[in-house]
Amino acid sequence: EVVMTQSPATLSVSPGERATLSCRASQSVSNNLAWYQQKPGQAPRLLIYGASTRATGIPARFSGGGSGTDFSLTISSLQSEDSAVYYCQQYNNWPPYTFGQGTKLEIK
Amino acid sequence: QVQLVQSGAEVKEPGASVKVSCKASGDTSTSYYMHWVRQAPGQGLEWMGIINPSGGSTTYAQKLQGRVTMTRDTSTSTVYMELRSLRSEDTAVYYCARVRSPNNARDAFGLWGQGTMVTVSS
Repeated sequence: EVVMTQSPATLSVSPGERATLSCRASQSVSNNLAWYQQKPGQAPRLLIYGASTRATGIPARFSGGGSGTDFSLTISSLQSEDSAVYYCQQYNNWPPYTFGQGTKLEIK
Repeated sequence: QVQLVQSGAEVKEPGASVKVSCKASGDTSTSYYMHWVRQAPGQGLEWMGIINPSGGSTTYAQKLQGRVTMTRDTSTSTVYMELRSLRSEDTAVYYCARVRSPNNARDAFGLWGQGTMVTVSS
């Protein structure tokens, strides 16, 4: 099973600044890596797939990078509505499809 | 606009079974693999299994083998997840999710249902 590890667990950033979230896989997942955003009481929403491709309707301030085992999600010019929990997920080596434990992003 | 609409909240006693439905509206093609994911209160996301709505083949998470069954009804564009021998630790929000592209299991989850809360309590 591929274990996904996200860091940090919590991140607090001021509006207008940049946030960088990290995700590491226990073995290579190529670029088969997705990022999801989940707000309280809502279902997750796909932000990024293929490690770096934004999903339909996702603002350009969200960008993904990396391949193999190390990945990042960068949110530039943070806005209040970006406050959420962000999960990475690998879909390369399955079953199972595995998620990271999440990073909680707080806007100061 | 494509949507996944799930059935309503359930309260079950330990040892009982629950069956949650997920109906696709809009694009009702049977070419998209469907997943079930659950989230215990305050916890992260846990993948439960995948079903090919076209042929009905399934793959389940090892920890749920023997207790979970995923099925589909192509005539109504609905997939189902049944979990048996419920325990308190099965209390969670259960989501269905559809992959982004047709006929591709190695794909991100592009569309999610609204979630169904299942509470297991005596």
